[in-house]
Amino acid sequence: EVQLLESGGGLAQPGGSLRLSCVASEFTFSNYAMNWVRQAPGKGLEWVSGISGDSGSTFYADSVKGRFTISRNNSKNTLYLQMNSLRAEDTAVYYCAKVLSHITLDSWGQGTLVTVSS
Amino acid sequence: QSALTQPASVSGSPGQSITISCTGTSSDVGGYSHVSWYQQHPGKAPKLMIYDVSNRPSGVSNRFSGSKSGNTASLTISGLQAEDAADYYCSSKTSSSTLGVFGTGTKVTVL
Repeated sequence: EVQLLESGGGLAQPGGSLRLSCVASEFTFSNYAMNWVRQAPGKGLEWVSGISGDSGSTFYADSVKGRFTISRNNSKNTLYLQMNSLRAEDTAVYYCAKVLSHITLDSWGQGTLVTVSS
Repeated sequence: QSALTQPASVSGSPGQSITISCTGTSSDVGGYSHVSWYQQHPGKAPKLMIYDVSNRPSGVSNRFSGSKSGNTASLTISGLQAEDAADYYCSSKTSSSTLGVFGTGTKVTVL
C-alpha cells in the first residue's frame, strides 16, 4: 500500500519560511509526478504545486508563484515544498499526493498543518 | 481559475440514491474526460473515488458512479449508507492551468 508521510509544518511568522517534506514508500517514486494540495481551515481544496517524476517540469498556482519552490530527491523518495514570504492566507493543511495520470491524485498523505501568524 | 460549482449540501436517507453535480465550463469539465471525485471525512485526507469521469479505483464500492454531460459532471451514490456521510470534491483538468481545478465541495448528510 502506498504511503506518504508529510512533515515540517508548524507556526511561522508572516514573511517567514518553512520547508515541508513528504516521504514516499511502497511504490517506485521516480516514476510518478507528485503534487501539493492545501486546505485552509474550514475551506475547500486548492492545488498548490506539481512536479514531474524526473523534476524536469514544475508547476505552481498563481497564489504561490515566486514564493514557493517544489523539488524532489528520488534517491531519498522525498518530495519537498520550500515556502518563503509566507502570508496569513497560506495557513492550511498541506497534503502531498501521488499523481496517477493527468490530474488524478490516487494517494494522499495525512497532511501537515502550516499556521502563519504573528 | 475559478472553482467548479457544486451544491453546498445534499442529503438522503439510508438506502436512497443521491447525485452531486459539478458544473464548470468548456475550458475544464466540458473540454476534457479528466474529471475526478474525492471523498473526505472530517480530519482525514481526501480519498479518490472516481477518475476520468466514470472509472472506479480498486477497492471503491460500486455504489459510487460518475458521469458527465456537457459542462456538468455528476457523482451518484446509490444505496446510501451512514459511512458515506462526508465532504465530496470534484476536480477537472483545465486549459488555464497545468494543475487542475477543484470544485467548491459538497457536504453529504445521511438522515
